[in-house]
Amino acid sequence: GQQLNQSPQSMFIQEGEDVSMNCTSSSIFNTWLWYKQDPGEGPVLLIALYKAGELTSNGRLTAQFGITRKDSFLNISASIPSDVGIYFCAVLSGNTGKLIFGQGTTLQVKP
Amino acid sequence: DGGITQSPKYLFRKEGQNVTLSCEQNLNHDAMYWYRQDPGQGLRLIYYSQIVNDFQKGDIAEGYSVSREKKESFPLTVTSAQKNPTAFYLCATRRSGGDEQYFGPGTRLTVT
Repeated sequence: GQQLNQSPQSMFIQEGEDVSMNCTSSSIFNTWLWYKQDPGEGPVLLIALYKAGELTSNGRLTAQFGITRKDSFLNISASIPSDVGIYFCAVLSGNTGKLIFGQGTTLQVKP
Repeated sequence: DGGITQSPKYLFRKEGQNVTLSCEQNLNHDAMYWYRQDPGQGLRLIYYSQIVNDFQKGDIAEGYSVSREKKESFPLTVTSAQKNPTAFYLCATRRSGGDEQYFGPGTRLTVT
């Protein structure tokens, strides 16, 4: 089936550092979403991307929709301890609203 | 207070028993989804419903059943046929015409 490859699988960084993670696919998708999941909670939508080449920011977060429509990246600037969690990319598959999720990137921030 | 409610947060059952997980929403969203999450893995789609009285199987529907009698509610039953039911279960909704899904807080089911 269709898969998203998300990397890195995990990151352990110092507070204040910038972070970058990405997501790639072998297929073209027209909507890319980034979610964050805190431990024991449901994922929360961070950024939605609808147009190839689009660069969107949400506070310290910046995400880009790749021009080929087969990839996306998420950057976090000046990380803080509350950035800890699992970050998922997701793409919209078909016309039923089904999402395909990446395996997630686990981020740990050392104060 | 608007949103998606999943209850209970933690659920414990003995093997061989069916158990029903609740998902309620007051966002007036048409579509609802159930996902399963295992440690270190992404979300896998169990069932989804785009409209009341209609639902479709997702990628891992075996051993699960759902109903959609009301727009606000989409309960998931984990049957005794599900071989490995212990997991974190997440419910999500989507408004008609939108692409984004919004998630509830999840229910952690432990079967022993």
